[in-house]
Amino acid sequence: NAGVMQNPRHLVRRRGQEARLRCSPMKGHSHVYWYRQLPEEGLKFMVYLQKENIIDESGMPKERFSAEFPKEGPSILRIQQVVRGDSAAYFCASSLIAKRSSYNSPLHFGNGTRLTVT
Amino acid sequence: TQLLEQSPQFLSIQEGENLTVYCNSSSVFSSLQWYRQEPGEGPVLLVTVVTGGEVKKLKRLTFQFGDARKDSSLHITAAQPGDTGLYLCAGAYRSGSEKLVFGKGTKLTVNP
Repeated sequence: NAGVMQNPRHLVRRRGQEARLRCSPMKGHSHVYWYRQLPEEGLKFMVYLQKENIIDESGMPKERFSAEFPKEGPSILRIQQVVRGDSAAYFCASSLIAKRSSYNSPLHFGNGTRLTVT
Repeated sequence: TQLLEQSPQFLSIQEGENLTVYCNSSSVFSSLQWYRQEPGEGPVLLVTVVTGGEVKKLKRLTFQFGDARKDSSLHITAAQPGDTGLYLCAGAYRSGSEKLVFGKGTKLTVNP
């Protein structure tokens, strides 16, 4: 199965620790997106990256959160000094090269990382 | 703030019944997608609609995009327990924009 792979599936961190979430996009996909889903809430856009570039980080909190998508290896979403409010499911999605067309390239989602901050 | 309102939030029906769920916004979408999400998994794309008034069918599922491209509906005929899940709509407000805005979803339960 060459789908979007996220790990770990579950991550428990104490307040103040760092959380690192990894995402390997589908084969051939060069665009990665991170979304956060809180209980009873919809998915909220966080950041959109291409290889070695952050294209849109308008949904990312200004402090403690960072994302990267290096030339080699998975995309990483990093949360420093986690707080209880960071507890959520974090989903990564990937798509093919986006074209300037009338519709968006379909997103293929991973199964998420469920972060619990104690 | 661009919002997508989905209704109903929860829906519990018996196998064999028909149902419709709705996705509404005060803004115009350039395109809209419907996803289905099961517990512990990521959303899976069902359909993308682009043209106002467009209707797409996927077996027992019928998707409609409003003429003004501000709303959409999903109709399921003869629901089955396997249809149980969270149905999410997601809209792009700008053509070619990679940032999707998601509704909170309709949680559907189909009882045998």
